[in-house]
Amino acid sequence: GAGVSQSPSNKVTEKGKDVELRCDPISGHTALYWYRQSLGQGLEFLIYFQGNSAPDKSGLPSDRFSAERTGGSVSTLTIQRTQQEDSAVYLCASSLIAGGTGELFFGEGSRLTVL
Amino acid sequence: GIQVEQSPPDLILQEGANSTLRCNFSDSVNNLQWFHQNPWGQLINLFYIPSGTKQNGRLSATTVATERYSLLYISSSQTTDSGVYFCAVPDSNYQLIWGAGTKLIIKP
Repeated sequence: GAGVSQSPSNKVTEKGKDVELRCDPISGHTALYWYRQSLGQGLEFLIYFQGNSAPDKSGLPSDRFSAERTGGSVSTLTIQRTQQEDSAVYLCASSLIAGGTGELFFGEGSRLTVL
Repeated sequence: GIQVEQSPPDLILQEGANSTLRCNFSDSVNNLQWFHQNPWGQLINLFYIPSGTKQNGRLSATTVATERYSLLYISSSQTTDSGVYFCAVPDSNYQLIWGAGTKLIIKP
């Protein structure tokens, strides 16, 4: 696609429910990042995918969080048993070049509110 | 690991003013990016600038890699320039290290 696409743009859920957030990166981009941004805060790294290599999950805050990337393209971030502290904007970004050296392009984010 | 510092943390200007935002980094880098996050949260890639100077309309950026800093210039500010400006550099792995941002408010 022309840009990084994320869905849903907004998600309101009840505490304890599972949610799935989707990211469709720019076509041909091999690197994909998930970040989280709480209100008024900076970007918190969650997970990084690079081609077919094993993802770096070191930023995931707990085992309730998981992510996958199918076919080297679309990625899904899953949060199980959501908690109120999970409320944030979840941002996906992709890059043509791996290793943090390529230009990074962001989607518009998925705003998650856990009641 | 590499440290990234941005200054000033906050900046309030009248429409039409010029501004300079600074990004210092603690180690050699092979690229640097500037982003603008608008008040609606959208992050826009402004410049990919490992060294030298680039210009895009009223915005320009200069990176002096040997001295480990980059500057973002905004001329003739408009209210739509308001938001948070971030710089980011890669570390020795593939992580992007982000500055804390400069929050810019342009008053009409």
